[in-house]
Amino acid sequence: EDQVTQSPEALRLQEGESSSLNCSYTVSGLRGLFWYRQDPGKGPEFLFTLYSAGEEKEKERLKATLTKKESFLHITAPKPEDSATYLCAVQSGGSYIPTFGRGTSLIVHP
Amino acid sequence: DSGVTQTPKHLITATGQRVTLRCSPRSGDLSVYWYQQSLDQGLQFLIQYYNGEERAKGNILERFSAQQFPDLHSELNLSSLELGDSALYFCASSGGTGGELFFGEGSRLTVL
Repeated sequence: EDQVTQSPEALRLQEGESSSLNCSYTVSGLRGLFWYRQDPGKGPEFLFTLYSAGEEKEKERLKATLTKKESFLHITAPKPEDSATYLCAVQSGGSYIPTFGRGTSLIVHP
Repeated sequence: DSGVTQTPKHLITATGQRVTLRCSPRSGDLSVYWYQQSLDQGLQFLIQYYNGEERAKGNILERFSAQQFPDLHSELNLSSLELGDSALYFCASSGGTGGELFFGEGSRLTVL
């Protein structure tokens, strides 16, 4: 059974204070690892797909990286508008259905 | 805007009742997924349809059922509702079997 664990559960940062969110996973043959952003009362919004260890993707202040056991979402010089819950999901070779972690709730204070 | 439309946005009903949630996927997407999100469980996969056929089932209760129609819209039927069914129900669509899902804004169900 695919498992995804995200840490920390919640993170408070000051504007401009860079940090990283962690996503540890256990799957049988990784097909893809996905990061989503979810704003309160909204549906998750797709951010990145990573397919293999060593791969990196960037979008504005966000950078996602992947190893064989975990992924990191690095947030550089965050702004208050980056406040959201960030979800990680994995898709394994045994199932095409993405399994989601519980997310990290990020609050960036001005 | 993801292109996925869900109705209704909010629904309040009583225990024992039945409700239907509706989803229209992005134009061209053949796959529809239903997820339930509650505070203590996170996003839980319920069921997936591809071009009208059921493809995968998750932890969907027997009281719940779904279908995808020829025009590709999908409905999730929840019956004999219990207090614990209160949650956000999300529909997502994708073009195939990829993990890049496009979510609607959800239907918030409150069972009193």
